Amino acid sequence: DQQVKQNSPSLSVQEGRISILNCDYTNSMFDYFLWYKKYPAEGPTFLISISSIKDKNEDGRFTVFLNKSAKHLSLHIVPSQPGDSAVYFCAASAYTGNQFYFGTGTSLTVIP
Amino acid sequence: DTEVTQTPKHLVMGMTNKKSLKCEQHMGHRAMYWYKQKAKKPPELMFVYSYEKLSINESVPSRFSPECPNSSLLNLHLHALQPEDSALYLCASSRGVLGGYQPQHFGDGTRLSIL
Repeated sequence: DQQVKQNSPSLSVQEGRISILNCDYTNSMFDYFLWYKKYPAEGPTFLISISSIKDKNEDGRFTVFLNKSAKHLSLHIVPSQPGDSAVYFCAASAYTGNQFYFGTGTSLTVIP
Repeated sequence: DTEVTQTPKHLVMGMTNKKSLKCEQHMGHRAMYWYKQKAKKPPELMFVYSYEKLSINESVPSRFSPECPNSSLLNLHLHALQPEDSALYLCASSRGVLGGYQPQHFGDGTRLSIL
């Protein structure tokens, strides 16, 4: 059973505009969430994380929002750049857990 | 540049061969992981080592045999693999494994093809 879901397999955005990637989870025990970026032929690179005591975390152009009641998180990239074109995975874990659960990924294309 | 180094980057082997995948990290992390990733799928956890001891084996077939010689190295020994084992094998590490808000850092993976 997929506990973390990314329902949009792909997303295209114009350069300079906002990219919004979405992720839903089902396990209410999850309290730590991460986003990874993956280029072809490379491993996933850690991008940004958020714990459940917060509802927003920012790092430069990247902001993650967490809505615990909806069991939903999103990653905003502003402004989007062509170098942001990659597959983005969200992942979740529980503080007392011992593994991460990954979503299926969203392929972002930023059009110059 | 990734701080988790995996070798080889590509490996082609027959079903009767024995080969090993290697992973190295020098970040002082005490937890190391093996994942398998098929195309357009999320990474699937295979094994977790915590302080050089195997702590999780996600019902992986015995033709995959992990080994953690020291806190910086992780190997995955392969024997009698099947064509369906062709995939990208990812190694990751983190500061700890049991609890806490700690990201995993991934290597670039080994692309394995079984003939």
